[in-house]
Amino acid sequence: LAKTTQPISMDSYEGQEVNITCSHNNIATNDYITWYQQFPSQGPRFIIQGYKTKVTNEVASLFIPADRKSSTLSLPRVSLSDTAVYYCLVGRSNDYKLSFGAGTTVTVRA
Amino acid sequence: NAGVTQTPKFRVLKTGQSMTLLCAQDMNHEYMYWYRQDPGMGLRLIHYSVGEGTTAKGEVPDGYNVSRLKKQNFLLGLESAAPSQTSVYFCASSRRAGTGPTGELFFGEGSRLTVL
Repeated sequence: LAKTTQPISMDSYEGQEVNITCSHNNIATNDYITWYQQFPSQGPRFIIQGYKTKVTNEVASLFIPADRKSSTLSLPRVSLSDTAVYYCLVGRSNDYKLSFGAGTTVTVRA
Repeated sequence: NAGVTQTPKFRVLKTGQSMTLLCAQDMNHEYMYWYRQDPGMGLRLIHYSVGEGTTAKGEVPDGYNVSRLKKQNFLLGLESAAPSQTSVYFCASSRRAGTGPTGELFFGEGSRLTVL
């Protein structure tokens, strides 16, 4: 599992766009980038995964530059319910030992 | 769909007592995992299983034992609880291993354990 670095915390206001960047300089060719979201008192849940360029779903967008050494999770028009911890994982199909770092705590204020 | 169910959700133990946490999944997943989460440290992998009858050590296995006698169940045991094992424990399962395509982890709601 590639080492990742992401900000410890971010503050935002309702209606704004939140962008969380994850650095993964030693990403390997076969690695995918996956983001999870964890609400208080709940287990993490998968929100998006990508390999290159841009991926979008109903929850978020994931932007991956050509060199793949970083990625940015974009949450459009956040609401109070988007307050959560967001984890970036970089790895491949045979990475059994998946551990989550401290993640980024996003706090959305009214 | 129940997904991943953990029991119990809360437990208080005295130092030296033993207990077992049960994780059950109804998605027919091959892979199952036990994590612990402590403040500011994210989730750390304790043990994992790649199929019925198999177990393997993760990042922080000391003081814990696991068993996977049935595909749908993954048990985490503490033989002699210590205050350092006070934590929130999460179980997860996945259809495939790792973080590649379809390797999505499904988590339970957690079990909060306090060791006095």
